[in-house]
Amino acid sequence: QKEVEQDPGPLSVPEGAIVSLNCTYSNSAFQYFMWYRQYSRKGPELLMYTYSSGNKEDGRFTAQVDKSSKYISLFIRDSQPSDSATYLCAMSEGAQKLVFGQGTRLTINP
Amino acid sequence: DGGITQSPKYLFRKEGQNVTLSCEQNLNHDAMYWYRQDPGQGLRLIYYSQIVNDFQKGDIAEGYSVSREKKESFPLTVTSAQKNPTAFYLCASSINGANYGYTFGSGTRLTVV
Repeated sequence: QKEVEQDPGPLSVPEGAIVSLNCTYSNSAFQYFMWYRQYSRKGPELLMYTYSSGNKEDGRFTAQVDKSSKYISLFIRDSQPSDSATYLCAMSEGAQKLVFGQGTRLTINP
Repeated sequence: DGGITQSPKYLFRKEGQNVTLSCEQNLNHDAMYWYRQDPGQGLRLIYYSQIVNDFQKGDIAEGYSVSREKKESFPLTVTSAQKNPTAFYLCASSINGANYGYTFGSGTRLTVV
């Protein structure tokens, strides 16, 4: 079993829809949770960062962490075609290496 | 502007050749990492270095080698021992381990011809 599980998709939704992306994990010591966005043939860029449990909102993006369920989510409201990318979850215990999910390929259709 | 520069963007390797991928950062980050990305497999860690003149193997180090002689530079050599080197290679750096995430370069696409 992988330490971090993420549905690779692909996921295709119409423009304006609310998108929900999720990851589950097995290591209860994870404290730092991140979402990266990666456009085709580019490097990933940090989108959202959350420490421990709770919600964090940044514009149209909301990150949620539920440590009791070992489950994290990224919500995208009013999705735009420019949101089409691969989204990677990542997490760590602290000063250790990041552990990445497989990535979910998302397409927003105009 | 601060960032990570990977070069070249595209690289072609003949069978039996060693090739070196360049990674330079001007972020004054202590830690640097090399990942390999294949379709449907996410990011797999090849090597990482937390300080100059020290580095550790990641999950798929076989057939690869690195050096860390300067804080700014972390080149990756793909040797002829790597039997399936065609992939997208990503270099990353971080200021203090993984606490605040990594900054990634734009990647090098390596193809065996």
